[in-house]
Amino acid sequence: DAGITQSPRHKVTETGTPVTLRCHQTENHRYMYWYRQDPGHGLRLIHYSYGVKDTDKGEVSDGYSVSRSKTEDFLLTLESATSSQTSVYFCAISGRGGLHTDTQYFGPGTRLTVL
Amino acid sequence: ELKVEQNPLFLSMQEGKNYTIYCNYSTTSDRLYWYRQDPGKSLESLFVLLSNGAVKQEGRLMASLDTKARLSTLHITAAVHDLSATYFCAVDPRDTGNQFYFGTGTSLTVIP
Repeated sequence: DAGITQSPRHKVTETGTPVTLRCHQTENHRYMYWYRQDPGHGLRLIHYSYGVKDTDKGEVSDGYSVSRSKTEDFLLTLESATSSQTSVYFCAISGRGGLHTDTQYFGPGTRLTVL
Repeated sequence: ELKVEQNPLFLSMQEGKNYTIYCNYSTTSDRLYWYRQDPGKSLESLFVLLSNGAVKQEGRLMASLDTKARLSTLHITAAVHDLSATYFCAVDPRDTGNQFYFGTGTSLTVIP
């Protein structure tokens, strides 16, 4: 298994509260991604990173920001959580040996509930 | 707007039967990925298809890619209960490894 951890694994918060989710990898993969998974939508990309301090927006980036100050850590921040951001969030990594054809390896997920 | 469509969305099949899941996508791409997800779990990589005509097989699952038709198939042979899961395809439209677009998934239930 690729060494990917996510924290927290579960979180309940209130509308308007800032929330930060952490993804940590021990594989030294170049690319890191944040997805959200909702019924009927599959997985949708929020933001991704192709290197330290290099990030870009995905399909559903509104209301989210990210930071990557170290190769191993990719943070997802909800500046002011809303109920529509209730979801399961997955982190993924790829790029073994710098390959951009590599598959993505997924973390265990974080279940976020915004009340 | 890029679309990745899977069908069927729900599939109930008996053990021992064969079936195919289809993944159609609306952009040019030579890269197609298949994943499996068990309920409440994360996604597991099954197949990586990187060229037209690519075929990969693992056990009772076989995946193929036709880039001209923008179609990938996941064929299940002699299904067993352990194959019950949700299967996702994903496309890398820019061939950069940066952005994957996922289908909505096919929920497969294999009935004894």
